[in-house]
Amino acid sequence: DGGITQSPKYLFRKEGQNVTLSCEQNLNHDAMYWYRQDPGQGLRLIYYSQIVNDFQKGDIAEGYSVSREKKESFPLTVTSAQKNPTAFYLCASSIVRGLSGANVLTFGAGSRLTVL
Amino acid sequence: AQRVTQPEKLLSVFKGAPVELKCNYSYSGSPELFWYVQYSRQRLQLLLRHISRESIKGFTADLNKGETSFHLKKPFAQEEDSAMYYCALSPNYGQNFVFGPGTRLSVLP
Repeated sequence: DGGITQSPKYLFRKEGQNVTLSCEQNLNHDAMYWYRQDPGQGLRLIYYSQIVNDFQKGDIAEGYSVSREKKESFPLTVTSAQKNPTAFYLCASSIVRGLSGANVLTFGAGSRLTVL
Repeated sequence: AQRVTQPEKLLSVFKGAPVELKCNYSYSGSPELFWYVQYSRQRLQLLLRHISRESIKGFTADLNKGETSFHLKKPFAQEEDSAMYYCALSPNYGQNFVFGPGTRLSVLP
């Protein structure tokens, strides 16, 4: 069953703790993304990666970090520096842009992080 | 800067009525536009993209470069269309996608 797997589905964290959200895909996609979804604000891009060992900051990268050591995996760490980390986090992947234009995003089921 | 706006947070229509979800964008180049949909308890998924020029589940969207709009339309709404709809833009040079804030469509019986 091909797709994107995010874990955990729900996560609780105390203030001051770092937490890492997992995202794994078996679609052989080169590009992977992390979005944050807040009510009334839609999806905001945190980080994205087009190739292994390379990634770019999105619009709201402060307080987050990522790594891309394997094509299949793109974990997101929410650090204690993130001022308002309680949110729903979505991971997505796509093949990279080709001659036919931008490619479709495939999304995971999401991870809900709550800071206590 | 790239930006996508969806002026309606919530849109309620009766079953069988026409529906139009508005999307406007700001981008100086030639973007690609998409509509994504999230049904209750399901993942966010692509509904349609402007370069495909196709109708999906009765929905169509036309890119109007003069008005910088990409409104989503359906002539006769169905209850199963109730969902969260996001308009998204991809710039013609990059790999990222910019999403609007979303519109929740509620189709009443």
